[in-house]
Amino acid sequence: AQKITQTQPGMFVQEKEAVTLDCTYDTSDQSYGLFWYKQPSSGEMIFLIYQGSYDEQNATEGRYSLNFQKARKSANLVISASQLGDSAMYFCAMTLMNTGFQKLVFGTGTRLLVSP
Amino acid sequence: DVKVTQSSRYLVKRTGEKVFLECVQDMDHENMFWYRQDPGLGLRLIYFSYDVKMKEKGDIPEGYSVSREKKERFSLILESASTNQTSMYLCASTLSGELSGNTIYFGEGSWLTVV
Repeated sequence: AQKITQTQPGMFVQEKEAVTLDCTYDTSDQSYGLFWYKQPSSGEMIFLIYQGSYDEQNATEGRYSLNFQKARKSANLVISASQLGDSAMYFCAMTLMNTGFQKLVFGTGTRLLVSP
Repeated sequence: DVKVTQSSRYLVKRTGEKVFLECVQDMDHENMFWYRQDPGLGLRLIYFSYDVKMKEKGDIPEGYSVSREKKERFSLILESASTNQTSMYLCASTLSGELSGNTIYFGEGSWLTVV
């Protein structure tokens, strides 16, 4: 069965610094997708970045990049130049591409606090 | 602008009550999902539906049922609410086919307290 592990319940970073949020995954499938979402205190889920298992380049979206290490089964999120508005919960998630019905499996999340 | 709407954001219900959580999407999506979110546990899938009147159990279906009579609406039902169902519930929808990129749309969440 597929599983996502986020080992950091909370992280602190100073404004303008970079921060890495860890995510490891477990699946025996070769074809899968990895997602990162941000959830502010309001509760909405905001899509940040996506990496397909066959993508050779690490995904980047503005200040977000995904450090994809397939052999280690890790998909860490790197936020460069943190901003106060980055304070939120962050979830890593995975879906398998060859299942009939697509669904996401989420990790337990990391709460990021950005201080001035 | 695409939208997934959860009709109730904050509810307080009594133990034993029947509770309906409604989710409506305006994107003609085939797939709809109900997740439950608890601190330290992340999001866990309760049920999902891939077509009208079709449903599949997720990882934690016990104590819940669902209804999808129309394509745009997916209801989560707590037949007899219990205090351990106090949680935040998130609805999501997608088109059929591969999930990739920004293709999953979430509602804003429903915070349910059972007293």
